[in-house]
Amino acid sequence: DIQMTQSPSSLSASVGDRVTITCRASQSISSYLNWYQQKPGKAPKLLIYAASSLQSGVPSRFSGSGSGTDFTLTISSLQPEDFATYYCQQSYSTLPFTFGPGTKVDIK
Amino acid sequence: QLQLQESGPGLVKPSETLSLTCTVSGGSISSSSYYWGWIRQPPGKGLEWIGSIYYSGSTYYNPSLKSRVTISVDTSKNQFSLKLSSVTAADTAVYYCARRSLGVAKNQDRFDYWGQGTLVTVSS
Repeated sequence: DIQMTQSPSSLSASVGDRVTITCRASQSISSYLNWYQQKPGKAPKLLIYAASSLQSGVPSRFSGSGSGTDFTLTISSLQPEDFATYYCQQSYSTLPFTFGPGTKVDIK
Repeated sequence: QLQLQESGPGLVKPSETLSLTCTVSGGSISSSSYYWGWIRQPPGKGLEWIGSIYYSGSTYYNPSLKSRVTISVDTSKNQFSLKLSSVTAADTAVYYCARRSLGVAKNQDRFDYWGQGTLVTVSS
């Protein structure tokens, strides 16, 4: 299995802050990397696919970058509705698909 | 707008079989561009992919669960289903159904629509 790790596991930030979350794969996955946002009691929501493509309807303050083993999700100016847990997921190996452990973003 | 809705018992006894159904509305399950899958999340923990199915019936499963999982599709009802046998407390989780979009390029493979999730508790 391809193992996904994320850092930090949690962070505290203020509205308006620039936030960066890192995801690392245990082997090269090219750009086969997706990012999801999950709020408490809700299903995950797709934000970014193919490492840097913004899903339709997602605000442009979200962006993704990276290739190979190292990836980044950036929120350019954190909004109140962005406090949530963020997961990366690789689609390079479909047996199995694997997710990162998540990064919780809460209010400072 | 595409919607997915999970249904099934919220409580299952140990050693029994967990059965869930996902009903798809607002779109056809028989599209060649999509797979349909199940993902679970134990309380307070991360996400685990269980398996996926194509409308033709082709399936593939997480190797860690493969011996216990069966996913099937009913195109006439626009539904797909999950069966997980010999459950234990470790199978207690919120179970999500989701659409997997294949995209134009291979790296565009992603889960773009999710059901709201249903909590299944394994307990006697």
